[in-house]
Amino acid sequence: EVRLVESGGGLVQPGGSLKVSCAASGFTFSASAVHWVRQASGKGLEWVGRIRSKSNSYATAYAESVQGRFTISRDDSKNTAYLQMNSLETEDTAVYYCSRHGAVAGLGGLDVWGQGTTVTVSS
Amino acid sequence: ENVLTQSPGTLSLSPGERATLSCRASQSVSGNYLAWYQQKPGQAPRLLIYGASSRATGFPDRFSGSGSGTDFTLTISRLEPEDFAVYYCQRYDSAPQTFGQGTRLEIK
Repeated sequence: EVRLVESGGGLVQPGGSLKVSCAASGFTFSASAVHWVRQASGKGLEWVGRIRSKSNSYATAYAESVQGRFTISRDDSKNTAYLQMNSLETEDTAVYYCSRHGAVAGLGGLDVWGQGTTVTVSS
Repeated sequence: ENVLTQSPGTLSLSPGERATLSCRASQSVSGNYLAWYQQKPGQAPRLLIYGASSRATGFPDRFSGSGSGTDFTLTISRLEPEDFAVYYCQRYDSAPQTFGQGTRLEIK
């Protein structure tokens, strides 16, 4: 079964840091680009950023709202991607989803999603 | 800035009716790299349409996507009770791969 499982969410104070993980199984993780998408309560989806595969030089890209504060990385030996979040603001409070880009399956868009992990930034 | 504008914000229809959802891009979407997602309460989004018009696995043929350039449409030919949800479009031709703000499809 193709699966993504996020973990590591929690409560953090403004200005703090948190690292969330995305564990993959059931497909060739190393060949896949991984995206992070967030959703504040009652709001729409916001694309956070992505990391490409080794064959694409692990290239990363970020939304302007998180550029310079968030870093996406991956460890293909562990089939895991990470989202390091620094200088957190209350506006970063959201459910964070990781997702797979469908190109690895011959599709477009984000074809596999995790269940999400909740990050709350509050004092 | 790449902005996707979805309309209407909320669409109220009855089962059996036809739904037409719009997604307009501020800049042309290259290669028709435009996707649609369905999201139900408490669930992760689910890929519905990719490449503007290709239907993802698991969705029936009453769902169809069309359009190119800056104007895209998601059509549901005859609404079933399970189709009432929020729908998002997303461009994935280049970063940032922005989403539209969503259209809520509700039962009238």
